[in-house]
Amino acid sequence: DQQVKQNSPSLSVQEGRISILNCDYTNSMFDYFLWYKKYPAEGPTFLISISSIKDKNEDGRFTVFLNKSAKHLSLHIVPSQPGDSAVYFCAAIQGGSEKLVFGKGTKLTVNP
Amino acid sequence: NAGVMQNPRHLVRRRGQEARLRCSPMKGHSHVYWYRQLPEEGLKFMVYLQKENIIDESGMPKERFSAEFPKEGPSILRIQQVVRGDSAAYFCASSSGHQETQYFGPGTRLLVL
Repeated sequence: DQQVKQNSPSLSVQEGRISILNCDYTNSMFDYFLWYKKYPAEGPTFLISISSIKDKNEDGRFTVFLNKSAKHLSLHIVPSQPGDSAVYFCAAIQGGSEKLVFGKGTKLTVNP
Repeated sequence: NAGVMQNPRHLVRRRGQEARLRCSPMKGHSHVYWYRQLPEEGLKFMVYLQKENIIDESGMPKERFSAEFPKEGPSILRIQQVVRGDSAAYFCASSSGHQETQYFGPGTRLLVL
């Protein structure tokens, strides 16, 4: 019962181009969404988040878009850099809960 | 400005032994969460604790697993009589309050032989 789905296990982009990572969810009670980046043998690092009352949040090269009607969110990284190569996890949380529900992750490779 | 600390980083146990994983939250954080990541999977919530209280343990296996966050000292995740299926990365996170961003530690990689 996968409530948060990242259907692309991997993505490869050229340095300087845009990276788009996608995430779908099934639980309409989720009201807060987060993206974490994870390097091998390290813990997840918080990247950016968005509340369900917004449809876009931007922080430097990172923008998260939320489409509530489609239960879909995406993370845009532009321009992509080789240091962005990592596994990106989408996570969601339901109001009143403290439980983060994670997707399985997408491995991003940015080629120089 | 230390982040979330976990130790040990790697732990090897034989079947039937006990594993104790420690987590020190970020300074000023009183909320601690434990997650488990199996190979090729996302992180799965296990338990949420505040000082001396277990708030939500809905993700904890019913047997052999326990967690505590005492008034003094780190939070401990304890696994008794480990089995091979317990091999995983165990991550601790902390936050400053309800609905605040959770920040993760580097994880403990448990290998059960």
